[in-house]
Amino acid sequence: DIQMTQSPPSLSASVGDRVTITCRASQSISTYLNWYQQKPGKAPKVLIYAASSLEGGVPSRFSGSGSGTDFTLTISSLQPEDFATYYCQQSYSTPWTFGQGTKVEIK
Amino acid sequence: QVQLVQSGAEVKKPGASVKVSCKASGYTFTRFHVHWVRQAPGQGLEWTGMINPSGGSTSYAQKFRGRVTMTRDTSTSTVYMELSSLRSEDTAVYYCARVRAVTGSYYFMDVWGKGTPVTVSS
Repeated sequence: DIQMTQSPPSLSASVGDRVTITCRASQSISTYLNWYQQKPGKAPKVLIYAASSLEGGVPSRFSGSGSGTDFTLTISSLQPEDFATYYCQQSYSTPWTFGQGTKVEIK
Repeated sequence: QVQLVQSGAEVKKPGASVKVSCKASGYTFTRFHVHWVRQAPGQGLEWTGMINPSGGSTSYAQKFRGRVTMTRDTSTSTVYMELSSLRSEDTAVYYCARVRAVTGSYYFMDVWGKGTPVTVSS
């Protein structure tokens, strides 16, 4: 199975900050990498697919980059509604696997 | 609109089975795979398996093989996930999610159900 490792596990940031979350795969997954946002008590929501493609309706302050084993999710200017947990997920091979999540909290 | 409506919360005893349903609407049921993901309390997301509603083929995570069965009913556009021999560690919210494919064979979960809480307790 492909292991996905996110860092940091949590971070505190202020509204307006630039936030970067990283995700590393245990083997090359090309760009078969998706990012999801999850708020408490809610289902996850896709933000980015294929490493860098923005899902429709997702604000442009979210962006993704990377290929191979190293990926990043960037929020260019953190907004109050962005406080949530973020997960990366590989779709290169089954079983699909997720990172352990990064919780973004208010500083 | 496109949506997946899941069945309600379940409470089961250890050793029992649970069957969760996920009814699709707003799109052609047989055109999109459905995956199941679970989340234990306070924990991350765990992929359980998937079903192709068109032919009914399935793929399960190794840790659930022998205990999980995913089926579908095309007449009602519903997929089911049954988990047997339940133990306390199976206590989780179980989500179904539609998978969209885009050019280049990129797949991602674009529509999710609200989740079905399953509690396993004696």
